Amino acid sequence: AQSVTQPDIHITVSEGASLELRCNYSYGATPYLFWYVQSPGQGLQLLLKYFSGDTLVQGIKGFEAEFKRSQSSFNLRKPSVHWSDAAEYFCAVGANNNDMRFGAGTRLTVKP
Amino acid sequence: NAGVMQNPRHLVRRRGQEARLRCSPMKGHSHVYWYRQLPEEGLKFMVYLQKENIIDESGMPKERFSAEFPKEGPSILRIQQVVRGDSAAYFCASSKLAGVYNEQFFGPGTRLTVL
Repeated sequence: AQSVTQPDIHITVSEGASLELRCNYSYGATPYLFWYVQSPGQGLQLLLKYFSGDTLVQGIKGFEAEFKRSQSSFNLRKPSVHWSDAAEYFCAVGANNNDMRFGAGTRLTVKP
Repeated sequence: NAGVMQNPRHLVRRRGQEARLRCSPMKGHSHVYWYRQLPEEGLKFMVYLQKENIIDESGMPKERFSAEFPKEGPSILRIQQVVRGDSAAYFCASSKLAGVYNEQFFGPGTRLTVL
């Protein structure tokens, strides 16, 4: 079965600085990969997804992620973080069924 | 178009009571998924339903937990004889079509506290 690891539990960056959140997955075939954001007390919102094709995918709110098969990674990036980006970020991997596995999440704090 | 709705948003139960969590999918969506989020953890898949059918309940505990999605009305996640370990946030998601490649839209969640 597929699985996801997010190595960083908590990251703090200054507003305006660049951001990279790490995600490593385990799956035998080509995975479906997702990044979600969860604001406090809210449900999850899809930021971006990768199924096939161009390995650099653009998402909402200025986020992008790069699929690297050789490293089994799908890291999320943003060139300049805004205070409103403070939230919990979840990476997820889906297989050829309806089962989606989520990482434990990375909590992002943005310093003024 | 209203999003996925869940109620109640917060639910407090004493040990041994029953908890009923409701989920109304987005209009036009006939696929519903339930996830549980324990503190400091990611979401864990519990069950996937279509109208009147349970498709995959591989993530659901074998005892005390049940789910339904009737022809009319919301999907219900039912937890009987709750224990403290059931305290968590329960999220519902819906999609228009089956398969993980079809975006799942999440509700705001129900936070269950068992005293």
